[in-house]
Amino acid sequence: AQTVTQSQPEMSVQEAETVTLSCTYDTSESDYYLFWYKQPPSRQMILVIRQEAYKQQNATENRFSVNFQKAAKSFSLKISDSQLGDAAMYFCALEYGNKLVFGAGTILRVKS
Amino acid sequence: NAGVTQTPKFQVLKTGQSMTLQCAQDMNHNSMYWYRQDPGMGLRLIYYSASEGTTDKGEVPNGYNVSRLNKREFSLRLESAAPSQTSVYFCASRPLNSGNTIYFGEGSWLTVV
Repeated sequence: AQTVTQSQPEMSVQEAETVTLSCTYDTSESDYYLFWYKQPPSRQMILVIRQEAYKQQNATENRFSVNFQKAAKSFSLKISDSQLGDAAMYFCALEYGNKLVFGAGTILRVKS
Repeated sequence: NAGVTQTPKFQVLKTGQSMTLQCAQDMNHNSMYWYRQDPGMGLRLIYYSASEGTTDKGEVPNGYNVSRLNKREFSLRLESAAPSQTSVYFCASRPLNSGNTIYFGEGSWLTVV
């Protein structure tokens, strides 16, 4: 079975500081995608960043970057220069075939 | 452009009642999904439809049925609602090709008493 584990139910960060959200996954597939999604209180789901398993280079989108360790099946999200608007639930997700499986989520709180 | 539209947004059911959650997308996406979101458990896949005419079970299919009516519409039916099915339900869609982002509806809040 393909699983996604987010071991941090909640994280806090000071505004302008850096925070890292952890995600591990398990899959028997050789080709797959990994995603981070943001869910603010509005419940809207927003794509933050995606990573293809075949690409060794870590994906980056502005202040968001990932540390993809394929052998360790780890996919952490680093948020630099945290802003109040980053406060949300963050989900790690694994795509294989036509399925998209999500982790339990990490609530990120940003302190001013 | 409406995206993914779910109805109803709120519903209260009595144990044993049945109901259907409706979902439609106007983005010409092949794949559609139903998830439920519960505190501490994230989003769990109930059923999905890779393309028109096909449906497959996800992680938590028990107690649910689905119908892919056409390319646009994918409904979720609770035949005999149970309190354990109290949750927020999300419909989603995306193009068939790998790596594409998934688009979610606004959610349907269902309470079973």
